[in-house]
Amino acid sequence: RKEVEQDPGPFNVPEGATVAFNCTYSNSASQSFFWYRQDCRKEPKLLMSVYSSGNEDGRFTAQLNRASQYISLLIRDSKLSDSATYLCVVNANAGGTSYGKLTFGQGTILTVHP
Amino acid sequence: EPEVTQTPSHQVTQMGQEVILRCVPISNHLYFYWYRQILGQKVEFLVSFYNNEISEKSEIFDDQFSVERPDGSNFTLKIRSTKLEDSAMYFCATEMVGSYEQYFGPGTRLTVT
Repeated sequence: RKEVEQDPGPFNVPEGATVAFNCTYSNSASQSFFWYRQDCRKEPKLLMSVYSSGNEDGRFTAQLNRASQYISLLIRDSKLSDSATYLCVVNANAGGTSYGKLTFGQGTILTVHP
Repeated sequence: EPEVTQTPSHQVTQMGQEVILRCVPISNHLYFYWYRQILGQKVEFLVSFYNNEISEKSEIFDDQFSVERPDGSNFTLKIRSTKLEDSAMYFCATEMVGSYEQYFGPGTRLTVT
């Protein structure tokens, strides 16, 4: 089983649509969870951290289910500028320290069209 | 907003040559990382560095790779004898103590011919 597995996509949606991405992770000791976005040939940019209680940032909502080892990202009212690759990222810093390697999923490509 | 910077943006080198990739972390960040991304593949962890020593390294980070922070500002990745398969984007990332969030630089595209 892959360490971090995402919907392969690609997702092609019209402006204004709601789109959801799913991700599962294999290491139950994982402590920190993130969604990054990556534009073509650019660096990953932190979109949001994901907390057990779920969290929202404007049009973006992230959820974490530790029991199922499942993470999701919901984008409402999609904009053209949301077109990017969305990366599910996990940090298994089981030692309790904040630092530790990030493990990335393959990414899901989103294209928002007019 | 403070950013991680990396130089050069693109490096072309011949197989067997040594390359040094440079990163300037965000000023109050103390945890440093190198990742790489081969074209079309996922981002992969190489090494983490804290308090002037390696904290963790991956299987990719073999004896050909080394990291250091020579002057308290730059954080460098050296590849001693490059191979064709080292061609990739190399990203530096840094993290503030206690933040759990890593911020990435714009990357160096390394092309080995």
